[in-house]
Amino acid sequence: KAGVTQTPRYLIKTRGQQVTLSCSPISGHRSVSWYQQTPGQGLQFLFEYFSETQRNKGNFPGRFSGRQFSNSRSEMNVSTLELGDSALYLCASSLLSGAGELFFGEGSRLTVL
Amino acid sequence: GESVGLHLPTLSVQEGDNSIINCAYSNSASDYFIWYKQESGKGPQFIIDIRSNMDKRQGQRVTVLLNKTVKHLSLQIAATQPGDSAVYFCAENTGNQFYFGTGTSLTVIP
Repeated sequence: KAGVTQTPRYLIKTRGQQVTLSCSPISGHRSVSWYQQTPGQGLQFLFEYFSETQRNKGNFPGRFSGRQFSNSRSEMNVSTLELGDSALYLCASSLLSGAGELFFGEGSRLTVL
Repeated sequence: GESVGLHLPTLSVQEGDNSIINCAYSNSASDYFIWYKQESGKGPQFIIDIRSNMDKRQGQRVTVLLNKTVKHLSLQIAATQPGDSAVYFCAENTGNQFYFGTGTSLTVIP
């Protein structure tokens, strides 16, 4: 079956703009988690959605938001982009909320100029 | 907060040798652990997992060892190949959320 699909794979934005990233989980998976990965940092947890409800949230400012649709597809949005938001944004899906095997997509590489 | 640390940020091994990548975790309540491999430009790839009721689990060329007494996790790769060159992460789960380390970069020398 198809894996986790993230779009777009690469994008360049300027400071102050906003961006929306999309994630389609593995078929049947209802949990989608988002992570930010930067050089020298581990994967920093952003938030997790399960059945259209946010179940967990990491320590990121309110500029970072997300949502999940009835088909389990998820989007995350970053408003008022800052240079420090440049990172690889990874989406992961799993059957269970907050537990079980976690499968990652290839990520969306965001560069903020 | 949680912390998942890796003892060595980089590791170089000769092709054909065995590799051991270590990981320390901080929460004794963590009951599920995963090792991931991340190649350059790609997302993390699931390698092997282990639950806290086990001490050892084997896969194809990989073995994960869990020492709950000292909260230590290790990944052993047998007969390391050039394709094993990547960053390896461990992750711990308390039943609520995953926490990841920064990773160990494994370089295989031909």
